[in-house]
Amino acid sequence: QKEVEQDPGPLSVPEGAIVSLNCTYSNSAFQYFMWYRQYSRKGPELLMYTYSSGNKEDGRFTAQVDKSSKYISLFIRDSQPSDSATYLCAILTGANNLFFGTGTRLTVIP
Amino acid sequence: DADVTQTPRNRITKTGKRIMLECSQTKGHDRMYWYRQDPGLGLRLIYYSFDVKDINKGEISDGYSVSRQAQAKFSLSLESAIPNQTALYFCATSDPNTRLIYGYTFGSGTRLTVV
Repeated sequence: QKEVEQDPGPLSVPEGAIVSLNCTYSNSAFQYFMWYRQYSRKGPELLMYTYSSGNKEDGRFTAQVDKSSKYISLFIRDSQPSDSATYLCAILTGANNLFFGTGTRLTVIP
Repeated sequence: DADVTQTPRNRITKTGKRIMLECSQTKGHDRMYWYRQDPGLGLRLIYYSFDVKDINKGEISDGYSVSRQAQAKFSLSLESAIPNQTALYFCATSDPNTRLIYGYTFGSGTRLTVV
């Protein structure tokens, strides 16, 4: 079983929509959860990170962790065309390495 | 200049050839990583190094080797390239001494095609 699995998409939404991106993880001992954003022909960039459970908000972005169901989500409010990118969830394993989901490609249509 | 620089950006090579991908960083980070990215498979860890004398295999190290020449340089070699090593390769760094320990800084990638 993979450490983290991600809804593959792709996802296409109109500008202004609320976007929900989701991942599940396998080991209840994982404590650190990240979301990276990757634009075309670029490397991933850290967007948000959360520790343990609960929500974390940064502007239009909200990261949510539900440890009871081993589910992590990223919500984007008032989505913009500039949000069009691939979003990757990631978890930190006990060996202090990041394991990434497969990524969800998001397109926001003006 | 970019914090993490990868060379070359693109490379086409023939099956059986030896090829080296290079990575250099100006972040001053001790930890460096090599990942490959394939459609539908995401980013997978090939090798990682926590300092110049500490090199470790990742998830998919077979067919690859690495060299950490200095704190700032970490090279990935394919000893005898094969077509299923065609992928996008990323180098990354991280700093365990900051709150953003898990905030990796990635290079822009090397697109490698093995024909």
